[in-house]
Amino acid sequence: DGGITQSPKYLFRKEGQNVTLSCEQNLNHDAMYWYRQDPGQGLRLIYYSQIVNDFQKGDIAEGYSVSREKKESFPLTVTSAQKNPTAFYLCASSKTSPKETQYFGPGTRLLVL
Amino acid sequence: DQQVKQNSPSLSVQEGRISILNCDYTNSMFDYFLWYKKYPAEGPTFLISISSIKDKNEDGRFTVFLNKSAKHLSLHIVPSQPGDSAVYFCAASFTGANSKLTFGKGITLSVRP
Repeated sequence: DGGITQSPKYLFRKEGQNVTLSCEQNLNHDAMYWYRQDPGQGLRLIYYSQIVNDFQKGDIAEGYSVSREKKESFPLTVTSAQKNPTAFYLCASSKTSPKETQYFGPGTRLLVL
Repeated sequence: DQQVKQNSPSLSVQEGRISILNCDYTNSMFDYFLWYKKYPAEGPTFLISISSIKDKNEDGRFTVFLNKSAKHLSLHIVPSQPGDSAVYFCAASFTGANSKLTFGKGITLSVRP
């Protein structure tokens, strides 16, 4: 079964702590994305990557960091600089480029203690 | 500036009737449009897409209509079923460098049994 997995489903962050959200895909897609969803809001792009070892900032990159060391993996770190991290985080992938159909993982809910 | 607008935040229809979800866009360069369906605490699922060379695309109970002159698209669900109750996101992109999917804020559809 091809798809996108995200872990954990729920994550708790303490003040001043960095946390990392995992995203793995076995669709053989080149491009991967991280979005944030807040209540009543659409999907806002945090970071995206179209190729291994390269990534670009999206609309709300401040307080976040990513890496793309493998085609299958695109982890997102929510740093202590992100002052309002409580949200639902969605990872997605597409075959080659951000303008194509994107396929989403199940999401990670991040809560601040 | 919101380039993809879903002005009605919610819609309620009776089971068996037609659901019509609307989406407007402002960027005339958009030439590829998609609809996603999202249940609470899950990732969005791709439903149906349409390119600007067509004005209609149908897949089972789902039909998307595109009116380029009005910069408007709509998703019709016939007949509506209780399992269709979810948030529906409209998204758009264009052919060109640096294009990414732009999402609307979503419409919550409730189908009453």
